[in-house]
Amino acid sequence: GIQVEQSPPDLILQEGANSTLRCNFSDSVNNLQWFHQNPWGQLINLFYIPSGTKQNGRLSATTVATERYSLLYISSSQTTDSGVYFCAGTSGGSYIPTFGRGTSLIVHP
Amino acid sequence: KAGVTQTPRYLIKTRGQQVTLSCSPISGHRSVSWYQQTPGQGLQFLFEYFSETQRNKGNFPGRFSGRQFSNSRSEMNVSTLELGDSALYLCASSEAGGVGGAFFGQGTRLTVV
Repeated sequence: GIQVEQSPPDLILQEGANSTLRCNFSDSVNNLQWFHQNPWGQLINLFYIPSGTKQNGRLSATTVATERYSLLYISSSQTTDSGVYFCAGTSGGSYIPTFGRGTSLIVHP
Repeated sequence: KAGVTQTPRYLIKTRGQQVTLSCSPISGHRSVSWYQQTPGQGLQFLFEYFSETQRNKGNFPGRFSGRQFSNSRSEMNVSTLELGDSALYLCASSEAGGVGGAFFGQGTRLTVV
């Protein structure tokens, strides 16, 4: 199966700062998603973004499928943005998303 | 539409016991997948069911099993619990082919003592 590499593994920010999280795939990927895992463990869907760019409030994401990577931008970060961010995608004929190890984000007030 | 519902939210079991977890997918979604999340191993795929058939299986021992009912609701069972089975178990539902992505429930946190 595909390998998913996320960077950075850990990120500490002051409230109001901007950040970029990256996800690299070892092979072409379909059905790419970004999730935020809240403190209670639930994975919240942020973006379904097989290609192109999407924006939702302070968050935006870009996937360059031909180069096998995706970026998640967080602007004007808030303490409620803290948590773990995962990217995941399917590849080939598989319908099962493969997850990266996540980026742990801490935003200090 | 209601989201993915997992029950129970928390469980404490003793080594050697068995446990059954339940997952109700989003209405219209026929694919249900299960994941185990532990601090050391991250998110690991357990199995996927589609139209009552196990379509994919991860690398877990036979103590982990599941099934899916005609209404797409799914259950997973873990027999002869071990301390290492303590984890957050997450269920996800999606449309056929995974188009539109996977949607997760709140998870069941299992503690084995």
